Amino acid sequence: DTGVSQDPRHKITKRGQNVTFRCDPISEHNRLYWYRQTLGQGPEFLTYFQNEAQLEKSRLLSDRFSAERPKGSFSTLEIQRTEQGDSAMYLCASSRTGGWEETQYFGPGTRLLVL
Amino acid sequence: DAKTTQPPSMDCAEGRAANLPCNHSTISGNEYVYWYRQIHSQGPQYIIHGLKNNETNEMASLIITEDRKSSTLILPHATLRDTAVYYCIVRSRSNDYKLSFGAGTTVTVRA
Repeated sequence: DTGVSQDPRHKITKRGQNVTFRCDPISEHNRLYWYRQTLGQGPEFLTYFQNEAQLEKSRLLSDRFSAERPKGSFSTLEIQRTEQGDSAMYLCASSRTGGWEETQYFGPGTRLLVL
Repeated sequence: DAKTTQPPSMDCAEGRAANLPCNHSTISGNEYVYWYRQIHSQGPQYIIHGLKNNETNEMASLIITEDRKSSTLILPHATLRDTAVYYCIVRSRSNDYKLSFGAGTTVTVRA
């Protein structure tokens, strides 16, 4: 257990529905990252926050995806109008800024299945 | 961005040392090498990282060649629980802290 928690761990939804995932980082960590992992592939970066500011978004993050970190603590990732191609593991990681030795610690992930 | 090359898979015997190679021939002078592993259906787990010198912690040792173009992760006494996908990642200055995962090496530890 790294101290990063994610909820829910599994989500099954029907195409077109909206889903929201939550990530609670390690308490003293000011950076929070979201990644997506499809079957057989390594995780791919989606977006990251430093405190409450969203500093970078990948082109993978379509306009149906939105992430927030309102108080600089937990974060939510919402997917609107889900598509079957959104089926994946969504991973959250957190870190404390410290130059190039910064280490990210991952949560257990939320596995999404869109039917 | 510095890319890494790893073998797609390898087997090792339980109780023996597992040596996992990684090539990163385009690495820049101040880029770190990070190793993570991912056990089936879990999130990636941080193992170790290094810049120039060899590093050791409770999980593994990291040997980086003098020219920094390759490295080896050593699991000193592999157990069945070490079966996982191992990722070698170079933290790139232009990537602004995000991690770029490749396909990794699927390591299977056999009894």
